[in-house]
Order: sequence, then C-alpha cells, then structure tokens
Amino acid sequence: EAGVTQSPTHLIKTRGQQATLRCSPISGHTSVYWYQQALGLGLQFLLWYDEGEERNRGNFPPRFSGRQFPNYSSELNVNALELEDSALYLCASSYSQGNTIYFGEGSWLTVV
Amino acid sequence: AQSVTQPDIHITVSEGASLELRCNYSYGATPYLFWYVQSPGQGLQLLLKYFSGDTLVQGIKGFEAEFKRSQSSFNLRKPSVHWSDAAEYFCAVGWPGGFKTIFGAGTRLFVKA
Repeated sequence: EAGVTQSPTHLIKTRGQQATLRCSPISGHTSVYWYQQALGLGLQFLLWYDEGEERNRGNFPPRFSGRQFPNYSSELNVNALELEDSALYLCASSYSQGNTIYFGEGSWLTVV
Repeated sequence: AQSVTQPDIHITVSEGASLELRCNYSYGATPYLFWYVQSPGQGLQLLLKYFSGDTLVQGIKGFEAEFKRSQSSFNLRKPSVHWSDAAEYFCAVGWPGGFKTIFGAGTRLFVKA
C-alpha cells in the first residue's frame, strides 16, 4: 500500500514568487494535514482538510492557502514568498477525523 | 491549553546502551499518545501509539513506551541503541474526534561508537 506521497521533493523559488506543493494521501484517508518544519522551529501546524473542506488553520498569514480535491489529494500554495518560508513542508493524512496521522517524505522549499 | 513537553533537546548515548526519551503532556483527560522518528531530511515515521489498555506499548525497531497516568508521561525506551537510531524523535498527543495532533519540540538523539 502506497504511503503519503509529496511532490516536488525540492523546489527553489525567488522571493515574491508563488510555490505550489502537492500531496496524495494514503488510499482511504480523507483528512490531509500540512505542517511547516523550519530550521530550529519544530513542527508548525499549517492546515487541515477533511472531505474537501478546510477544517482548521494554524497561525500563518493568508498567503498560505490550499485546497483538497475530490480524490482527497491536496495542494499547498504559498504566495509572495519570503526568505523565511524556506522550510521542509510535510503533508500527513488520516481517516476522516482519525486519530493517527501518517507523514510523507516532505517537500523542501528554498526561497532565494 | 494542551501541550506536549520533551525536556531534552538532545541526548547522546553510546551504541549498545539503553535509551529513554521523556515526554510529558498537559491535558484534562487521557489523550491518544504517539512517538514518531525523523531521520535527517526525511518525513516522520510512526514508531508506536497508545490509545487505551495495556500501558506498555511495543513499537517498531525495538522501541517501547510506557504510559503513566499519574505522571502524565509517555516515555520512549529502547534496551540497546544502534547507530542507525540516530535521529530526531517527536512525542505527540491527539484525541478522539479528530482535530490537529500536537507535537513536542523533539529530541535529537546522537549515538556514539
């Protein structure tokens, strides 16, 4: 059974540009979570989608947004990139409002 | 507010020695408890989880954790550490009905030969 898959593995963008990261959850999982892991800052919760709707949002500005598609895959968009957005972005999935979340390998975003 | 505390930012142990990583949580009821491991540059892998029942939980890679309600703790243990165990370990809490899981700040494990 395939795990959570994320793409791209690495992404380099210039300050002010937009970045799009993608995630496919484990088959059968309808909840998708996004986390940011910046150097020295631990795991910061970004967004939670369930059944196509945004259910909860962490303490991030509106330029961090996303959506969940009918097949439960998800994308994270970061607009007006800033240098401090450079981080590992982790996607995780679970059954709907499930208790155990499973992570993908992450997408490295570097803003220069 | 709910919180998870991992008191040790980093720990160094010798290969073959035993390991205990500490985790304490603050929550009104018994939450669901998890340990994850993250190798450098990779995602998080679930080591083990506790929902209810036996308070000693066995996980993958020879790890175990013990839930102690009186101490609000869920410490991770391994009897003999291998060099490949060097990684960052995250304790996490969740609860029934969903909502986001809360992660501790992580403990970096270094293994010396």
